[in-house]
Amino acid sequence: EDQVTQSPEALRLQEGESSSLNCSYTVSGLRGLFWYRQDPGKGPEFLFTLYSAGEEKEKERLKATLTKKESFLHITAPKPEDSATYLCAVQDYNQGGKLIFGQGTELSVKP
Amino acid sequence: SAVISQKPSRDICQRGTSLTIQCQVDSQVTMMFWYRQQPGQSLTLIATANQGSEATYESGFVIDKFPISRPNLTFSTLTVSNMSPEDSSIYLCSVPGQDSYEQYFGPGTRLTVT
Repeated sequence: EDQVTQSPEALRLQEGESSSLNCSYTVSGLRGLFWYRQDPGKGPEFLFTLYSAGEEKEKERLKATLTKKESFLHITAPKPEDSATYLCAVQDYNQGGKLIFGQGTELSVKP
Repeated sequence: SAVISQKPSRDICQRGTSLTIQCQVDSQVTMMFWYRQQPGQSLTLIATANQGSEATYESGFVIDKFPISRPNLTFSTLTVSNMSPEDSSIYLCSVPGQDSYEQYFGPGTRLTVT
């Protein structure tokens, strides 16, 4: 059964304190791994797609990496506006367009 | 990416009633997806809606409870029928990207059932 587990559940950082969020996954045939940002009261906002182990994507202070078992979202020198819930999802070749989401990591960045 | 709108943005409904949620996209898409996000939980796919065919429901979700319409390539509705407090959730529609596999989400409909 396809499964996605994110850790930690919550992360509190000081502004400028870099850290990483983890997404461990089990999937029979990985079509893609996706990172989203979700602000309170809003729909998820797409950040990155990773397709194969070794792939990396960057956007501003965020960098996503992928191995055969997990993905990391590295946040460099975060700012308070980076505070949000970050969601990881996988798509299985055998399950059409279905996204399987993890529980998310709630990130809080204090000034 | 597509621009997606949903109506209503939120509603408070009484037990036993039904609510229809609308999803409008600014471009034509073959597939539309409906997800549920229960309080404190992550997103779970309810069904996939293709234009011109019946929706495909995920395990645990049935058409009688969540009927879906897909009259054209830019619009879909999800009805939550005979509601109970357990149906209190955020309901989101999404569409795939044009050239890749990611999905873009609408702003969601926050439903509270009393």
